[in-house]
Amino acid sequence: QQKVQQSPESLIVPEGGMASLNCTFSDRNSQYFWWYRQHSGEGPKALMSIFSNGDKKEGRFTAHLNKASLYVSLHIKDSQPSDSALYFCAVSTGGNYKPTFGKGTSLVVHP
Amino acid sequence: GALVYQYPRRTICKSGTSMRMECQAVGFQATSVAWYRQSPQKTFELIALSTVNSAIKYEQNFTQEKFPISHPNLSFSSMTVLNAYLEDRGLYLCGAVQGNTEVFFGKGTRLTVV
Repeated sequence: QQKVQQSPESLIVPEGGMASLNCTFSDRNSQYFWWYRQHSGEGPKALMSIFSNGDKKEGRFTAHLNKASLYVSLHIKDSQPSDSALYFCAVSTGGNYKPTFGKGTSLVVHP
Repeated sequence: GALVYQYPRRTICKSGTSMRMECQAVGFQATSVAWYRQSPQKTFELIALSTVNSAIKYEQNFTQEKFPISHPNLSFSSMTVLNAYLEDRGLYLCGAVQGNTEVFFGKGTRLTVV
C-alpha cells in the first residue's frame, strides 16, 4: 500500500524567504504527483502537478520530481504571509484518480 | 472556471442519527467524484471513488451500508453518513475529477457529532 510522508511537519520562514517542502512515496509505479494548499476553513486547492522527472516552475513555485529516488519537493521563493497554509503532497499510480495524501506541512510565513 | 460547491458547509447531528451532504460541479463535467474525510488531525482518508455508470468503489474501512453515495450525473453527487458517531466527525471533502488527472475540491462539509 502506498505510503506518502511529508517533512517537515511545520515550517516557519520569514517574508521574502525560501520555503522547501519535502515528500517521499513508496510505490515505484507512482506516476502522478500534486501539491495542494489548504487555508484554514477551506478545502484543498491544487497548486501544482508534476508528472515528469525534473523541475517544473510556475511563478514563485517550483516542484521537483525524482521518481527513482521516490521523492518530490516544492519550493516557494519570496514567501508571502498569504502563503501561510497547510501543504499536502498527493501521489497516484495512475488509472483512475485515486491519490494518496501525505499528512501535510504547516507553513507559516511571518512578516 | 471550474468550481465545486458542497453543502451544507457545517452540520451538527446527534449521535446515532444520519446526515446527507451534497456536491455540485459547476463549469465542467466530473467523470468521477472522490469523497474524502479529513480528520481533526488533518489526515485525508479516501472513502470512495464514484464514476458515473460504474460501480462505486469503497476503500477499506468504509462501506456502502455506512456511507451510501448517489452519483446520478456528471455534475452532482451526494453522500449520507448513516448512524453517525463521534469517530465519524471531520471535514468531508468532495473532489470532482476532470479527465484522470485534474481534481477540484469543494470547501467541505464539517460534521460534528454530539
